[in-house]
Amino acid sequence: GAVVSQHPSRVICKSGTSVKIECRSLDFQATTMFWYRQFPKQSLMLMATSNEGSKATYEQGVEKDKFLINHASLTLSTLTVTSAHPEDSSFYICSARELRGTQETQYFGPGTRLLVL
Amino acid sequence: GDSVTQMEGPVTLSEEAFLTINCTYTATGYPSLFWYVQYPGEGLQLLLKATKADDKGSNKGFEATYRKETTSFHLEKGSVQVSDSAVYFCALMNTGFQKLVFGTGTRLLVSP
Repeated sequence: GAVVSQHPSRVICKSGTSVKIECRSLDFQATTMFWYRQFPKQSLMLMATSNEGSKATYEQGVEKDKFLINHASLTLSTLTVTSAHPEDSSFYICSARELRGTQETQYFGPGTRLLVL
Repeated sequence: GDSVTQMEGPVTLSEEAFLTINCTYTATGYPSLFWYVQYPGEGLQLLLKATKADDKGSNKGFEATYRKETTSFHLEKGSVQVSDSAVYFCALMNTGFQKLVFGTGTRLLVSP
């Protein structure tokens, strides 16, 4: 299947700093990427939908000024957690939408574990 | 709205046992159905999918059949291995909506 990478895989930062996470589709172009957050032993919570060349669409309750999303190319989306605080510590997972004709599939990255001290 | 219901885990089995993880869904229209697997500390991997009624998705010995009449997409494997221990997520995507709707996940533990 298609490959999606994330970088970094793990990051530890101090409270108040900003952290950028990259999501890349390696062998296909993705006009749409998604960012999820996963709490321990829970399902994935969709944070936002990232569309290439336009503003991201955020889910209800997600602060767009805190979680900045940029989808500058068909293979790259970035999530920046601004002024991170300990409660932002989580596992962040991106996915990229592959569209083949009328069939679409989402492929997920390996995730980024963020720990804010 | 659309939703996915999975059986609660953990499901604990011995190696070579038969596996069933139940998944039912509620959706308007004709969604595509997916099973994703998450190994410890990793992201999700697509395990299998089915895009229309009566389709059977299969991969790595796992299979699931899209049953429109019972709105189900149960995951099965004839003989599990220790390496199958993971969390399994059932999901649906309605045509044109792009978003995946996930179930809560079912943890599978396979012992030797």
